[in-house]
Amino acid sequence: EVHLVESGGGVVQPGGSLRLSCAASGFTFANYWMSWVRQAPGKGPEWVGNINPDGRVKYSLDSVKGRFTVSRDNAKNSLYLQMNSLRAEDTAVYYCARDMRYFDWLGQGTLVTVSS
Amino acid sequence: DIVLTQTPLSLSVTPGQPASISCKSSQSLLDRDGATYLYWYLQKPGQSPQVLIYEVSNRFSGVPDRFSGSGSGTDFTLKISRVEAEDVGVYYCMQSIQHPKTFGQGTKVDLK
Repeated sequence: EVHLVESGGGVVQPGGSLRLSCAASGFTFANYWMSWVRQAPGKGPEWVGNINPDGRVKYSLDSVKGRFTVSRDNAKNSLYLQMNSLRAEDTAVYYCARDMRYFDWLGQGTLVTVSS
Repeated sequence: DIVLTQTPLSLSVTPGQPASISCKSSQSLLDRDGATYLYWYLQKPGQSPQVLIYEVSNRFSGVPDRFSGSGSGTDFTLKISRVEAEDVGVYYCMQSIQHPKTFGQGTKVDLK
């Protein structure tokens, strides 16, 4: 069974940085696109960015371009989201998702709170 | 960016009765490859979103057959033939014909 476990969330001040991780199991991680999806409190989901199986192709939301970077380590079955220059509006639960063009599996999420 | 507009935004349904949610896209979701990249998700209280329907009308593994999807181009519908207690939550449509992938604003379904 597919299992995705996010970690690394917490409270950070505006302008700060945080690195999220996602540990994947139950499937051949290196064969799949992967995405990060976030959900601000009381709002709907929002796709943040994704990465292709070999890590060479990435897409991201305009509002995070230049601040957030998606990466992966296929040897460790892990997905990462490096978040810099964080803003209050980045406060959300961040989900790791297997990207089959749609998100067929999502993790339980990790909460990121940007606040002074 | 493609905007998905769902109606209604909330729905109160008697158990055993049908329910229907509409999703209208600002652009056609029919791709050159012949596929239409429209999906439906349910987010139950306290849980992550879970996919119900992919490519308009295909039920994801394990999804009960009371859920069905239909539509084409820019207009899509999710129907629940007989609502059960476990169907409570927020339903979202999502498109992936182009980046950024976008979601509708959600339809909250609860029981009368």
